[in-house]
Amino acid sequence: DAGVIQSPRHEVTEMGQEVTLRCKPISGHNSLFWYRQTMMRGLELLIYFNNNVPIDDSGMPEDRFSAKMPNASFSTLKIQPSEPRDSAVYFCASSLALGQRGSFLPQHFGDGTRLSIL
Amino acid sequence: AQTVTQSQPEMSVQEAETVTLSCTYDTSENNYYLFWYKQPPSRQMILVIRQEAYKQQNATENRFSVNFQKAAKSFSLKISDSQLGDTAMYFCAFTPSGTYKYIFGTGTRLKVLA
Repeated sequence: DAGVIQSPRHEVTEMGQEVTLRCKPISGHNSLFWYRQTMMRGLELLIYFNNNVPIDDSGMPEDRFSAKMPNASFSTLKIQPSEPRDSAVYFCASSLALGQRGSFLPQHFGDGTRLSIL
Repeated sequence: AQTVTQSQPEMSVQEAETVTLSCTYDTSENNYYLFWYKQPPSRQMILVIRQEAYKQQNATENRFSVNFQKAAKSFSLKISDSQLGDTAMYFCAFTPSGTYKYIFGTGTRLKVLA
């Protein structure tokens, strides 16, 4: 089975440009997560979707960041305008949540997008 | 606050030997899950092993096993017969049952030496 698919794998762009990161979760998973990984802060949860609905976006750094999940098989994370401090590895992960208070099966991560803002 | 602590920033082990990575956590929850993820230089985050807190039996996956001590809030990972491909960053993670939030440790960088 295909895992979580992220694109692009690397992105280098200049400050001020719009950046769009893409994610295709594992088929059948109903939960999707966007994380940011930096040396200083480790892995941070940015936003969590359940059944395509954003449930927790408290980790989104500021209004420059936005995320959408138009359907069960696709999500985007957009940064506009981008800044050098946004440089990081961005991971998408998906899992299957069983019921509202049920078990969350392990999160499966994509390969990440390494973003460099010059 | 719930926290996960990995006290060993870096470790090394000779090929074919055994190494243990430590992880402690702090929570008042009774039901929760614990995970070890591996992040090799290729950057993927790969699930290595999981443990449910209500299970007393320690989880095992081939050469990987855990020593789960619930009272001590300890969850160490043992890698037997270390291989060069085990070189990676290892993250311990905790999540209370019924929630989606993972709390990750800061990681242990393991280097397997030939």
